[in-house]
Amino acid sequence: GIQVEQSPPDLILQEGANSTLRCNFSDSVNNLQWFHQNPWGQLINLFYIPSGTKQNGRLSATTVATERYSLLYISSSQTTDSGVYFCAVPTGGTSYGKLTFGQGTILTVHP
Amino acid sequence: NAGVTQTPKFQVLKTGQSMTLQCAQDMNHEYMSWYRQDPGMGLRLIHYSVGAGITDQGEVPNGYNVSRSTTEDFPLRLLSAAPSQTSVYFCASSPHRDRGFPISGNTIYFGEGSWLTVV
Repeated sequence: GIQVEQSPPDLILQEGANSTLRCNFSDSVNNLQWFHQNPWGQLINLFYIPSGTKQNGRLSATTVATERYSLLYISSSQTTDSGVYFCAVPTGGTSYGKLTFGQGTILTVHP
Repeated sequence: NAGVTQTPKFQVLKTGQSMTLQCAQDMNHEYMSWYRQDPGMGLRLIHYSVGAGITDQGEVPNGYNVSRSTTEDFPLRLLSAAPSQTSVYFCASSPHRDRGFPISGNTIYFGEGSWLTVV
């Protein structure tokens, strides 16, 4: 099956710093999603981004499908950005919900 | 609108015991799934369902059983719990692609998770 790898595995930042998280995938996909898991375990959709660039406030994501990677940019990081960031790609089917996840990047933002 | 509701939130089981994790959604989604999350491994798909009466195996189905008698409910059964099933379990629901891309931009909704420890 498709392999999804994220880097770096851990990232520690001071508040206000910028960061880039990377997601590589081993096969062609027709979409990619980014999720944030907060320290209480809740999973939140960030982006559904099959290709190109999307922005939402301080966060933006870029997917280059032809080169099989996606990047998540976090600018002016805040302590509330802490948690685990996952990317996921679809593994077929008629729904958006059958996904293969990367192992995640653990982000810690210190005040 | 409750979204996806999972119960219980925390459970401790003894090896060999059985239990059921409950999952319900109120969004009339066709697709429901169960994932488990282990440290350093991300989420892995256990079982999924594309509609009432239809279920299929995901990546790590062994030791788990599911059924889908209604659109709303998708329980996950542990038949004989093992320490290797200690994990955090997430239920999720999604609309069928034929509905078109959701206006909200949300393609999948997760429950709040169930922390299971098998001793």
